[in-house]
Formats: sequence, structure tokens, C-alpha cells
Amino acid sequence: KNQVEQSPQSLIILEGKNCTLQCNYTVSPFSNLRWYKQDTGRGPVSLTIMTFSENTKSNGRYTATLDADTKQSSLHITASQLSDSASYICVVIGGFQKLVFGTGTRLLVSP
Amino acid sequence: DAGVIQSPRHEVTEMGQEVTLRCKPISGHNSLFWYRQTMMRGLELLIYFNNNVPIDDSGMPEDRFSAKMPNASFSTLKIQPSEPRDSAVYFCASTSGLAGGTYNEQFFGPGTRLTVL
Repeated sequence: KNQVEQSPQSLIILEGKNCTLQCNYTVSPFSNLRWYKQDTGRGPVSLTIMTFSENTKSNGRYTATLDADTKQSSLHITASQLSDSASYICVVIGGFQKLVFGTGTRLLVSP
Repeated sequence: DAGVIQSPRHEVTEMGQEVTLRCKPISGHNSLFWYRQTMMRGLELLIYFNNNVPIDDSGMPEDRFSAKMPNASFSTLKIQPSEPRDSAVYFCASTSGLAGGTYNEQFFGPGTRLTVL
């Protein structure tokens, strides 16, 4: 069964600290993997898109990694800011353009 | 560009009533998606269109739900009759190319918050 699991479900960190969010998937075949940021009351916004051959991709203070062998991805946030408080959703694109969504990690950055 | 436009932003209706949600994709995008988001189930893909043709409607929960895309600039999601368990935020998104095409970034609208009493 195609699944995407994210951990932790929720996380609280102090402003300025780093954190890492995890995404494990069982989707096969694999096309690409995306991380989205969703602010409260708004639609998701794409952070990164990674293909099978890409191990690391950065977008400012956000760095995503992908290990296609172990079917794991992580999103690392460096020097967190209050504006990073949001839900982060991992999406895996499988065969036949099938999108499989994780349930997200809710991050709260505290001052 | 104004981005993906959805209307209404909020809808409150009574059980049994018909609800119609509307979406205008970004000009030039040829794929359009309808999603539903709840606390319990997260984000779920309901249906997506490519070049106005439904490609994958396996996420449509039941016959009470229907979606149309009469032209490249407009789509509707209709629920008839509505039920309390349909209460959720419904998002529309658009992209160029196919759903999962590499680097085909999806752009989401602001969503419609539906409450069925």
C-alpha cells in the first residue's frame, strides 16, 4: 500500500534553533518527492521538489534530503524564525501521476 | 498574476443543501486539482483535470460529489446533498503539465472553508 508517514506529528522549538522533520514512504514506483509549507488558514506552498537522483536540495534556510534506497526524506530548518511556524507536508508522486500525501508535521517556533 | 482564485472563501449551509465551490486556475496552467483537508485525514486529492479532462477521480468520496471543468479557466466542485461530514477546507490548485511531472510546481488557492450544519 502506498503510504507517506511523517514524524513528529508536532514540534515546538525555540526561535533560532534548528530542527529536522522526517518523511518515510512506501510509494512505488517513485517519481519525485515534494515538501510543502502551509501557514494557518492558507493553501500549501511548495518548498522543494526532488527527483530520484537528487540527494539534497536547499531553499534558503530549508534543506531537504532524499535517500531513495531507504525511502526516507528529511526537511532541515536552520536558525528557525517565528514565521516558520506552520504545517509541513511531504508529498510523494508515484506511478501514473499518483500523489500520496503525508498528514504533516505541525511546527511551532516559540520566542 | 492573481494566482489561483477560489470562491466563496467561506460557506455555511444546512444538511441536504447543494453546495458549489468555484475555482479559476492560473492562466496558462493546464492541470487543475481539487483537494479536501481535515484535521483527521490531512490533505486528500479528490480529482484532477488535465486539459479540461478528468484524469483521476479516484479520490471523489461518493456520488454526492461531482466536478466539472467546462473550459481552461473555470472549474466547479459540487456537493449534493451536503452532509455534516463534508465540512472541511477545499483547496483548488493548478500547474502546467501533468500532476507529478518533475518540477511542475502546484500553486494552491486560498481554500473554501465549508461548514455543513
